[in-house]
Amino acid sequence: QKEVEQNSGPLSVPEGAIASLNCTYSDRGSQSFFWYRQYSGKSPELIMSIYSNGDKEDGRFTAQLNKASQYVSLLIRDSQPSDSATYLCAVNMKGDKIIFGKGTRLHILP
Amino acid sequence: DVKVTQSSRYLVKRTGEKVFLECVQDMDHENMFWYRQDPGLGLRLIYFSYDVKMKEKGDIPEGYSVSREKKERFSLILESASTNQTSMYLCAATGKIYEQYFGPGTRLTVT
Repeated sequence: QKEVEQNSGPLSVPEGAIASLNCTYSDRGSQSFFWYRQYSGKSPELIMSIYSNGDKEDGRFTAQLNKASQYVSLLIRDSQPSDSATYLCAVNMKGDKIIFGKGTRLHILP
Repeated sequence: DVKVTQSSRYLVKRTGEKVFLECVQDMDHENMFWYRQDPGLGLRLIYFSYDVKMKEKGDIPEGYSVSREKKERFSLILESASTNQTSMYLCAATGKIYEQYFGPGTRLTVT
């Protein structure tokens, strides 16, 4: 069974600190990796995508990919209360389907 | 970015009713998906479609069917709604590199 695993949380981080969210996946042949943010009662919103090993930065967000270890992470710098949400890791393993993790709840403490 | 719209944000239906959930995307993308999301269970794939009149079963197709008569429109049908189909239903369309863009969701309550 192809899986994407995330710690469900909640992860509590003080405002202004770095939030670190992690995800592991089972299929070594996976090619594309995504992070979604989902506010309560809303639909998931794509915030980052990464396709090759290393880091990819976009504003306060950095996605990190390590294919050898089969993990992908999301760092949020200078965390704000508005970053409080559930973050879904998603992996495209083959074809056009994406496998989603169940998400990590992040709570930024003011 | 792909823009995806869904016909209703909230819907209340009776047990046994036939329910139609509509999804429209504004880009010329082939791949569209229907998910349901429940607390603790995450996103579960119901059906997806790669092209007009094509459909593939996802992980939980039982009790659902789909229709794709036009490229931009993908409909989810609950043939006879049951209370265990109370859920948030999310439609998604694929962008250029397999990323998925979601509609706002339909929160369906079956009483």
